[in-house]
Amino acid sequence: QKEVEQDPGPLSVPEGAIVSLNCTYSNSAFQYFMWYRQYSRKGPELLMYTYSSGNKEDGRFTAQVDKSSKYISLFIRDSQPSDSATYLCAMSPSYSGAGSYQLTFGKGTKLSVIP
Amino acid sequence: DAGITQSPRHKVTETGTPVTLRCHQTENHRYMYWYRQDPGHGLRLIHYSYGVKDTDKGEVSDGYSVSRSKTEDFLLTLESATSSQTSVYFCAISLSNEQFFGPGTRLTVL
Repeated sequence: QKEVEQDPGPLSVPEGAIVSLNCTYSNSAFQYFMWYRQYSRKGPELLMYTYSSGNKEDGRFTAQVDKSSKYISLFIRDSQPSDSATYLCAMSPSYSGAGSYQLTFGKGTKLSVIP
Repeated sequence: DAGITQSPRHKVTETGTPVTLRCHQTENHRYMYWYRQDPGHGLRLIHYSYGVKDTDKGEVSDGYSVSRSKTEDFLLTLESATSSQTSVYFCAISLSNEQFFGPGTRLTVL
């Protein structure tokens, strides 16, 4: 079993739809959770960053962490064609030395928002 | 863009030749990372550095070496490139858990 599982999609939705992207993980030591957006032929861009369980909202984006279920989600409201990209989840444990900041990534979900 | 540049941005080379990729940052971050990204595998950590001359291996370090003689530069070397090292290589920097990525280097080994 991979440490982080993410459905690769592709996921295609109409403009204005609510998008739900998800990752599951197996390592209970993970405490920090991130979502990255990657446009074609570009580097990943940090979108959302959360610590432990709970919700975090930033504009049209909401990140949700459920540590009891080892499940994280990213919701995109009122999706736009400019949201078309690959979304990567990433996570890391609490700091315990120089190597602790290593991130474990999901493989990414490719999203297309159709006008 | 978090002040990260990578060079070259594109490179085509032949099997068996040495290749060095450079990552340069302007913001004095302590931590720097090299990843490769391949279809079906996602981002995989090759090596990372937690200070000048302080480096360690990641998940896929075989065939790669790194050096960091200055805070701002982190070099990735393929001593003898193989076709399996054809990939997109990303450098990242961080202060803590949040990592910020460079634009990538697209390497093709023929």
